[in-house]
Amino acid sequence: DAMVIQNPRYQVTQFGKPVTLSCSQTLNHNVMYWYQQKSSQAPKLLFHYYDKDFNNEADTPDNFQSRRPNTSFCFLDIRSPGLGDAAMYLCATSRDAGLGGYEQFFGPGTRLTVL
Amino acid sequence: AQSVTQLGSHVSVSEGALVLLRCNYSSSVPPYLFWYVQYPNQGLQLLLKYTSAATLVKGINGFEAEFKKSETSFHLTKPSAHMSDAAEYFCAVGGNNRLAFGKGNQVVVIP
Repeated sequence: DAMVIQNPRYQVTQFGKPVTLSCSQTLNHNVMYWYQQKSSQAPKLLFHYYDKDFNNEADTPDNFQSRRPNTSFCFLDIRSPGLGDAAMYLCATSRDAGLGGYEQFFGPGTRLTVL
Repeated sequence: AQSVTQLGSHVSVSEGALVLLRCNYSSSVPPYLFWYVQYPNQGLQLLLKYTSAATLVKGINGFEAEFKKSETSFHLTKPSAHMSDAAEYFCAVGGNNRLAFGKGNQVVVIP
Protein backbone atom coordinates (compact mmCIF):
# COMPACT_ATOMS: atom_id res chain seq x y z
CA ASP A 1 0.00 0.00 0.00
CA ALA A 2 1.12 3.51 -0.73
CA MET A 3 2.00 5.27 2.47
CA VAL A 4 3.94 7.78 4.50
CA ILE A 5 6.57 6.27 6.77
CA GLN A 6 8.29 7.94 9.68
CA ASN A 7 11.34 6.72 11.52
CA PRO A 8 11.90 6.31 14.32
CA ARG A 9 8.47 6.21 15.98
CA TYR A 10 10.02 7.21 19.28
CA GLN A 11 13.18 9.25 19.70
CA VAL A 12 14.89 10.24 22.92
CA THR A 13 17.60 12.88 22.83
CA GLN A 14 19.49 15.01 25.30
CA PHE A 15 19.12 18.72 25.73
CA GLY A 16 21.21 20.41 23.05
CA LYS A 17 22.10 17.22 21.16
CA PRO A 18 21.20 17.41 17.45
CA VAL A 19 18.58 15.00 16.24
CA THR A 20 17.23 14.05 12.81
CA LEU A 21 13.80 12.65 12.09
CA SER A 22 13.06 11.03 8.76
CA CYS A 23 10.05 10.68 6.53
CA SER A 24 9.58 8.73 3.34
CA GLN A 25 6.63 8.35 1.01
CA THR A 26 5.58 5.94 -1.70
CA LEU A 27 2.73 8.17 -2.94
CA ASN A 28 4.95 10.17 -5.31
CA HIS A 29 3.43 13.39 -4.01
CA ASN A 30 5.26 16.57 -4.78
CA VAL A 31 4.41 18.38 -1.55
CA MET A 32 5.80 17.27 1.83
CA TYR A 33 5.09 18.86 5.20
CA TRP A 34 6.46 18.80 8.73
CA TYR A 35 4.20 19.54 11.67
CA GLN A 36 4.85 19.82 15.38
CA GLN A 37 2.03 18.67 17.65
CA LYS A 38 2.03 19.15 21.39
CA SER A 39 -0.31 17.40 23.75
CA SER A 40 -4.00 18.19 23.21
CA GLN A 41 -3.20 20.73 20.49
CA ALA A 42 -3.70 20.91 16.76
CA PRO A 43 -0.71 20.21 14.52
CA LYS A 44 1.39 23.30 13.87
CA LEU A 45 2.97 23.60 10.44
CA LEU A 46 6.74 24.13 10.59
CA PHE A 47 7.52 24.15 6.87
CA HIS A 48 6.79 22.40 3.62
CA TYR A 49 8.47 21.52 0.37
CA TYR A 50 6.80 22.04 -2.97
CA ASP A 51 9.05 19.81 -5.05
CA LYS A 52 12.47 21.24 -4.15
CA ASP A 53 11.17 24.63 -3.11
CA PHE A 54 11.39 25.12 0.66
CA ASN A 55 8.64 27.13 2.36
CA ASN A 56 9.29 28.10 5.95
CA GLU A 57 6.54 29.32 8.27
CA ALA A 58 7.26 32.77 9.66
CA ASP A 59 7.19 31.61 13.28
CA THR A 60 9.28 28.46 12.90
CA PRO A 61 12.42 28.78 15.05
CA ASP A 62 15.81 28.70 13.31
CA ASN A 63 16.59 25.64 15.41
CA PHE A 64 14.44 23.63 13.00
CA GLN A 65 15.81 22.82 9.56
CA SER A 66 14.74 20.49 6.80
CA ARG A 67 16.19 18.67 3.82
CA ARG A 68 14.54 16.98 0.90
CA PRO A 69 17.18 15.12 -1.12
CA ASN A 70 14.63 13.56 -3.49
CA THR A 71 10.88 13.19 -4.03
CA SER A 72 10.55 10.29 -1.61
CA PHE A 73 12.48 11.49 1.43
CA CYS A 74 12.34 14.45 3.74
CA PHE A 75 14.27 15.06 6.97
CA LEU A 76 13.66 17.27 9.97
CA ASP A 77 16.80 18.41 11.78
CA ILE A 78 16.62 19.95 15.23
CA ARG A 79 19.99 21.53 15.79
CA SER A 80 19.87 22.08 19.55
CA PRO A 81 16.74 20.57 21.08
CA GLY A 82 15.32 22.27 24.12
CA LEU A 83 12.82 20.89 26.60
CA GLY A 84 10.09 22.83 24.79
CA ASP A 85 10.74 20.88 21.60
CA ALA A 86 9.42 17.67 23.10
CA ALA A 87 6.41 16.86 20.96
CA MET A 88 4.99 14.59 18.29
CA TYR A 89 6.39 15.41 14.85
CA LEU A 90 4.16 14.57 11.94
CA CYS A 91 5.12 14.28 8.30
CA ALA A 92 2.46 14.64 5.62
CA THR A 93 2.28 14.67 1.84
CA SER A 94 -0.13 15.94 -0.77
CA ARG A 95 -0.47 16.33 -4.48
CA ASP A 96 -0.18 19.71 -6.06
CA ALA A 97 -3.32 21.62 -5.08
CA GLY A 98 -4.35 21.87 -8.70
CA LEU A 99 -4.67 18.11 -9.10
CA GLY A 100 -7.35 17.23 -6.60
CA GLY A 101 -7.61 19.53 -3.68
CA TYR A 102 -5.59 19.83 -0.58
CA GLU A 103 -5.98 16.45 1.09
CA GLN A 104 -2.90 15.59 3.11
CA PHE A 105 -1.75 12.09 3.96
CA PHE A 106 -0.08 11.75 7.34
CA GLY A 107 2.56 9.43 8.66
CA PRO A 108 2.27 7.84 12.12
CA GLY A 109 4.50 10.46 13.71
CA THR A 110 7.69 10.47 15.74
CA ARG A 111 7.38 11.23 19.42
CA LEU A 112 10.41 13.17 20.57
CA THR A 113 11.48 13.21 24.20
CA VAL A 114 14.17 15.65 25.34
CA LEU A 115 16.00 14.83 28.57
CA ALA B 1 -6.90 34.07 5.76
CA GLN B 2 -8.83 30.84 5.97
CA SER B 3 -9.70 29.40 9.36
CA VAL B 4 -12.01 26.99 11.13
CA THR B 5 -13.55 27.09 14.58
CA GLN B 6 -14.33 24.05 16.68
CA LEU B 7 -16.05 24.70 19.98
CA GLY B 8 -15.93 22.53 23.07
CA SER B 9 -12.61 20.75 23.38
CA HIS B 10 -14.07 17.67 25.10
CA VAL B 11 -17.24 15.96 23.92
CA SER B 12 -18.80 13.09 25.85
CA VAL B 13 -21.29 10.83 24.15
CA SER B 14 -23.00 7.65 25.25
CA GLU B 15 -22.43 4.50 23.27
CA GLY B 16 -25.19 4.25 20.66
CA ALA B 17 -26.02 7.96 20.80
CA LEU B 18 -25.59 10.56 18.08
CA VAL B 19 -22.14 12.04 17.63
CA LEU B 20 -22.19 15.71 16.57
CA LEU B 21 -19.03 17.76 16.21
CA ARG B 22 -19.37 21.33 15.05
CA CYS B 23 -17.10 23.15 12.65
CA ASN B 24 -17.51 26.63 11.23
CA TYR B 25 -15.21 27.97 8.57
CA SER B 26 -14.07 31.34 7.34
CA SER B 27 -12.94 31.57 3.75
CA SER B 28 -13.08 34.21 1.03
CA VAL B 29 -13.10 31.56 -1.70
CA PRO B 30 -15.01 28.28 -2.06
CA PRO B 31 -13.33 26.15 0.57
CA TYR B 32 -11.87 22.70 0.64
CA LEU B 33 -12.93 21.26 4.02
CA PHE B 34 -11.73 18.18 5.84
CA TRP B 35 -12.33 16.15 8.95
CA TYR B 36 -9.44 14.14 10.33
CA VAL B 37 -9.36 11.68 13.22
CA GLN B 38 -6.35 10.99 15.43
CA TYR B 39 -6.02 8.01 17.74
CA PRO B 40 -3.50 8.12 20.60
CA ASN B 41 0.12 8.17 19.44
CA GLN B 42 -0.84 8.00 15.79
CA GLY B 43 -0.94 10.33 12.82
CA LEU B 44 -4.04 11.94 11.42
CA GLN B 45 -6.38 9.88 9.26
CA LEU B 46 -8.77 11.46 6.80
CA LEU B 47 -12.43 10.83 7.65
CA LEU B 48 -13.96 12.78 4.80
CA LYS B 49 -13.52 15.85 2.63
CA TYR B 50 -15.66 18.43 0.89
CA THR B 51 -14.47 19.59 -2.52
CA SER B 52 -17.70 21.10 -3.91
CA ALA B 53 -19.00 17.93 -5.58
CA ALA B 54 -21.82 17.28 -3.10
CA THR B 55 -22.95 19.04 0.04
CA LEU B 56 -23.53 15.82 2.00
CA VAL B 57 -20.27 13.96 2.26
CA LYS B 58 -19.99 10.40 3.50
CA GLY B 59 -16.77 9.22 5.03
CA ILE B 60 -15.25 6.21 6.69
CA ASN B 61 -16.47 4.51 9.87
CA GLY B 62 -20.07 5.69 9.38
CA PHE B 63 -19.31 9.41 9.63
CA GLU B 64 -20.78 12.06 7.40
CA ALA B 65 -20.73 15.84 7.18
CA GLU B 66 -22.93 18.42 5.52
CA PHE B 67 -21.60 21.57 3.93
CA LYS B 68 -23.90 24.53 4.54
CA LYS B 69 -22.70 27.67 2.83
CA SER B 70 -25.40 29.86 4.39
CA GLU B 71 -24.20 28.86 7.85
CA THR B 72 -20.49 28.54 6.92
CA SER B 73 -20.59 25.17 8.63
CA PHE B 74 -19.31 21.66 8.06
CA HIS B 75 -20.54 19.68 11.05
CA LEU B 76 -19.56 16.03 11.50
CA THR B 77 -22.12 13.44 12.56
CA LYS B 78 -22.46 9.75 13.22
CA PRO B 79 -25.85 8.28 14.11
CA SER B 80 -24.62 5.79 16.68
CA ALA B 81 -21.40 6.13 18.63
CA HIS B 82 -19.15 3.14 19.12
CA MET B 83 -16.43 2.71 21.72
CA SER B 84 -13.87 2.72 18.90
CA ASP B 85 -14.88 6.30 18.04
CA ALA B 86 -13.04 7.60 21.10
CA ALA B 87 -10.35 9.80 19.56
CA GLU B 88 -9.48 13.39 18.71
CA TYR B 89 -11.19 14.96 15.73
CA PHE B 90 -9.89 17.92 13.75
CA CYS B 91 -11.70 20.04 11.23
CA ALA B 92 -9.49 21.77 8.66
CA VAL B 93 -9.76 24.14 5.71
CA GLY B 94 -7.31 23.91 2.82
CA GLY B 95 -5.68 26.56 0.67
CA ASN B 96 -2.26 27.57 -0.71
CA ASN B 97 -0.92 24.07 -0.18
CA ARG B 98 -1.59 24.16 3.53
CA LEU B 99 -4.27 23.20 6.01
CA ALA B 100 -5.61 25.40 8.78
CA PHE B 101 -6.75 23.16 11.62
CA GLY B 102 -9.30 23.79 14.30
CA LYS B 103 -8.31 23.17 17.92
CA GLY B 104 -9.84 19.71 17.89
CA ASN B 105 -12.50 17.82 19.82
CA GLN B 106 -11.55 15.01 22.17
CA VAL B 107 -14.44 12.54 22.00
CA VAL B 108 -15.09 10.30 24.97
CA VAL B 109 -17.56 7.45 24.54
CA ILE B 110 -19.38 6.38 27.69
CA PRO B 111 -20.44 2.73 27.85
